[in-house]
Amino acid sequence: EAGVVQSPRYKIIEKKQPVAFWCNPISGHNTLYWYLQNLGQGPELLIRYENEEAVDDSQLPKDRFSAERLKGVDSTLKIQPAELGDSAVYLCASSLVGGAGYTFGSGTRLTVV
Amino acid sequence: KNEVEQSPQNLTAQEGEFITINCSYSVGISALHWLQQHPGGGIVSLFMLSSGKKKHGRLIATINIQEKHSSLHITASHPRDSAVYICAVLFADSNYQLIWGAGTKLIIKP
Repeated sequence: EAGVVQSPRYKIIEKKQPVAFWCNPISGHNTLYWYLQNLGQGPELLIRYENEEAVDDSQLPKDRFSAERLKGVDSTLKIQPAELGDSAVYLCASSLVGGAGYTFGSGTRLTVV
Repeated sequence: KNEVEQSPQNLTAQEGEFITINCSYSVGISALHWLQQHPGGGIVSLFMLSSGKKKHGRLIATINIQEKHSSLHITASHPRDSAVYICAVLFADSNYQLIWGAGTKLIIKP
C-alpha cells in the first residue's frame, strides 16, 4: 500500500511568487495534517483536517497561507505570495480518527530565492 | 503541560555498537512514535507504541507506561543508521497533535 504521497519533492521559487503543495493521504485516513519544519527544528502543525473540515488552523498564517481538502481526501497547501522566510520543509501526515496509524509523507522542500 | 524529552541530543558511535536513545514524557499518552529523518530526507515512521515492545530487523522499541519512558535500540549499528531519530508523543488530551522531542542526531562511524 502506498504511504502518504506528497509532491513536488523539491520546489525553488522567487519571492512574491505563489506556490502550491499537494498531499494524498493513506486511503481511509480521515485526519490529515500539514506541518512546517525549519532546518534543525521539529515540525510545527499548520493545520489539521477531519475529513474535509479544518478543525485546527490556529497556527496557519492566514494572510498568505491557505489550504483545502476537497472531498476529504487529497489536500493542497498554498502560499501566496511566498517570502524568503517560508523556505522550509512542508510535511503532510495522515491518520485515522484518534491518531492511529499516524504516517508522514516525504515532505516538500521549498526554497524561496 | 505536555512535554517530551529526548536524550542524548547527539550520539557518535563506532560501527557495530549497540545504540540506545531515550525518551521521557510528562503525562498520559495515547501512543508514542519513533521516527527517523535522514539529512534532506523525509520522515520515516519506525514504530508506533502504546505498550510493550516492538522489533523490526535491528531496531527495537520499548515503552514503560508506568515510568513514562521509551527507548529505541539499534543492534549491530551501521553507518547507514546515521540519521536524526525523533520521539513524538500523542498525548491523551492533545487533540490529536503530536508533540515532538528535540531529536537525537546519531552518527555511526565505519
